[in-house]
Amino acid sequence: EVQLVESGGGLVQPGMSLRLSCAASGFQFDDFGMHWVRQAPGKGLEWVSGLSWNGGTIAYADSVKGRFTISRDNAKNSLYLNMNGLRPEDTALYYCAKDVTLAVSGTGFDTWGQGILVTVSS
Amino acid sequence: QSVLTQPPSASGTPGQRVTISCSGRNSNIGSNFVAWYRQLPGTAPKLLIFNTNLRPSGVPDRFSGSKSGTSASLAISGLQSDDEAEYYCAAWDDSLSGWVFGGGTRLTVL
Repeated sequence: EVQLVESGGGLVQPGMSLRLSCAASGFQFDDFGMHWVRQAPGKGLEWVSGLSWNGGTIAYADSVKGRFTISRDNAKNSLYLNMNGLRPEDTALYYCAKDVTLAVSGTGFDTWGQGILVTVSS
Repeated sequence: QSVLTQPPSASGTPGQRVTISCSGRNSNIGSNFVAWYRQLPGTAPKLLIFNTNLRPSGVPDRFSGSKSGTSASLAISGLQSDDEAEYYCAAWDDSLSGWVFGGGTRLTVL
């Protein structure tokens, strides 16, 4: 079964850091691009960041550029998101998602995790 | 304000065909593939359409996608009560070098 499981969320104060992880199973992890997508409470979906199968191409939304860093470890079938300088507006449910292709600019995200909540508040 | 524009709501009766529109620009829908997702309350999004008009395995052929210029559409035929959900369109944007989503359309089955 293709599965993505996020971890590492929680409550943090503004300005602090957090690292999200996504454990993948049931598919050849290093054949696909991967992404982080977030959803603020009661709001729509917002793409955060993505990277290609080998991490050679990385992209970020303007809202997180310079603060968040995406990475992957293909040997561990894992995706990461390092979040620095967190702001209250970063509060959201963060989803890990698998691309249909090996690229960042693919054609859709065909598998999603259950999401992990990040709350930024003092 | 989302880069892709969707109507906030749509509705139909059981058995009816409904379409949801998604308007963008040359840099996104105009030059790249479109994806459509369905999200039920409290659950993760599910891919309905990728490559503008392809269905993943397991998605019934009641769902179809199309594109014309800088606009895309999702059509749902034979509407069912469990089609009530939020629907999102998405596309890669060459100018932003990132994915952009529509604001979502809440579909109600009357």
